[in-house]
Parts: sequence; C-alpha cells; structure tokens
Amino acid sequence: QSVLTQPPSASGTPGQRVTISCSGSSSNIESNYVFWYQQLPGTAPKVLIYRNNQRPSGVPDRFSGTKSGTSASLAISGLRSEDEADYYCAAWDDSLGGVFGGGTKLTVL
Amino acid sequence: QVQLQESGPGLVKPSETLSLTCTVSGGSITSYYWSWIRQPPGKGLEWIGYIYYTGSTKYNPSLESRVTISADTSKNQFSLNLRSVTAADTAVYYCATSLASSGSLYLQHWGQGTLVMVSS
Repeated sequence: QSVLTQPPSASGTPGQRVTISCSGSSSNIESNYVFWYQQLPGTAPKVLIYRNNQRPSGVPDRFSGTKSGTSASLAISGLRSEDEADYYCAAWDDSLGGVFGGGTKLTVL
Repeated sequence: QVQLQESGPGLVKPSETLSLTCTVSGGSITSYYWSWIRQPPGKGLEWIGYIYYTGSTKYNPSLESRVTISADTSKNQFSLNLRSVTAADTAVYYCATSLASSGSLYLQHWGQGTLVMVSS
C-alpha cells in the first residue's frame, strides 16, 4: 500500500484529455514538491513534471501538472498512442523520505 | 550527457547480501544526489535511498536497518548493499541521479535497471 494514492488505471481515446490523480497528506504533497514519471514498457522511468508543474526540456506541453493541498494531478491533452505507459507521482515525505504512488496504467483505446 | 550503468549479480541467495554498483559516465559524481530505486516484477517503484555528494545518506525507513549506500568518487561509482535478503527483495534495481540544486526526487538520469532475483 503506497503512501501516495493513484488510480490503478486510466484510459482515453486519441485526442482526448485525461487526468491522473495523486492523493497524499500534509507530510508529503502539501508541504513538498510533486514529481511525475512516465515509464514505457521495459524501460526506466522518465521525469515528466518536476516541482509540481514544471516540464523538463523536451517534454511536450501536452503534459501538465497541478497541485492543491494534499493532492496533485497530471493532465495529458491531445492523447496519443505513444502515451500508453505507466505513470507515477512522487514526493518527499517529511518522515519517510522519497515516496512514490502505486502507479497508473494509461491505456489509449 | 550523464549516463549510468548498474552492475552486479543477477541472483542472490536468501539471507545473503545484495551488492550493486552504478558507474557514472559523462559527468562527475560531485554536486549530485545519487539514488537507488527498485521495482518488483509487475509492481510499482520503491525509493531505497540516496547518497549526497557530500557523503550524507538518507534511506527508506522500511529498509534502513539493512541498507548501505556508499560512493567511490575516484572511480565515479556509487554502490548499494542490501543485507539479509529475502524473496521480497527480488526486483529491478535502478540507479538514478539528480542535481544537488534540484532536490533528490528530480531524477533526471537513470540507469537501464538490473534484475536481481533472490532464490536458493
């Protein structure tokens, strides 16, 4: 059972906008930055969002992150087939150190 | 461009010590956080801990009694030792790094991962 809670699955059709939620607590999301990672099958994770809503260079602006209180969300607009992957939120927890969500498997229908 | 490569045994016996090394190329081991993350087969990511370039470490409390992360700056390597392993420690182990100024969870560079199985 993960400290950060994500839905196990999400889906959408090409072109749609999908949102993945990440719920935490005052000791992690509320008081620290949130990060989002994308993991394509058989590969290492790749950072999509850092410091709640910042995109590293090279990450398309179709990906966006928000944070409010103890929750955060990743939104993917203009969904594409290559977005099919596992998505993980992460944050620092003041007691536990680094914590990840359980992951959300995104299916592009 | 920083590149990382994990190395070590792919099979470890129960109760023994899992030892992995991450070799860094394309950058110095200084001014970074050097982290280990693992992923059991078919499951999610678990943060193991990091070593800061100053030598300070921080570990996952659930693993802290069994884990040590160390660095050899002369070889541009950092290592993971996990003692008294059980089948529950079977996972793909990743090394990863983030700039000191970015914080330890902005993991910009990852190794490809190495599968370690714990079995007799």
